[in-house]
Amino acid sequence: AQSVTQPDIHITVSEGASLELRCNYSYGATPYLFWYVQSPGQGLQLLLKYFSGDTLVQGIKGFEAEFKRSQSSFNLRKPSVHWSDAAEYFCAVGAGTASKLTFGTGTRLQVTL
Amino acid sequence: GAVVSQHPSWVICKSGTSVKIECRSLDFQATTMFWYRQFPKQSLMLMATSNEGSKATYEQGVEKDKFLINHASLTLSTLTVTSAHPEDSSFYICSARDWASGPYEQYFGPGTRLTVT
Repeated sequence: AQSVTQPDIHITVSEGASLELRCNYSYGATPYLFWYVQSPGQGLQLLLKYFSGDTLVQGIKGFEAEFKRSQSSFNLRKPSVHWSDAAEYFCAVGAGTASKLTFGTGTRLQVTL
Repeated sequence: GAVVSQHPSWVICKSGTSVKIECRSLDFQATTMFWYRQFPKQSLMLMATSNEGSKATYEQGVEKDKFLINHASLTLSTLTVTSAHPEDSSFYICSARDWASGPYEQYFGPGTRLTVT
């Protein structure tokens, strides 16, 4: 069965600094990979997704992620963080049947001014 | 496009009563809907998958008699928490996909916070 690991539970960055959130997956083949953001008390918003092709994918709000097969990783990056980016970020993998997603445990991003 | 709504956004109920949460796809036909449960500061745990007109498929460990899921139409799924207890207090999120959705792509609702007193 597939699994997703987000090693960082909590990250704090200064506004304007760069950001990288880590995501590692475990799956025998190439999975479908997603990054979602969740603001407090809200549902999930899709930031970006990777299915195939170019391993560097661009998303909304200035985020990007790079799929590295050799490292089984799909890290999320943003060159300059804004205070409004403070939220919970979830990496998810879709694999197998039934269209189900498996979520990582999430990384809480705090942005200091 | 691809908007999913949930109602209510929050609900408080007394222990022993039942509460129903609605999940609607507003601008597409949801062939499949998913129900998740999220504890504070934790990840989403899939509770069940429902296909329109079929019985829901529950994940291991989820009590199907306690969490009744109905997906009677292509735009509506309901989750009924029966005989609720304080330990059922949680944030419940639904998601949906349609025929045109990309692989594993799901559109998420805003969630419903349930508090059982």
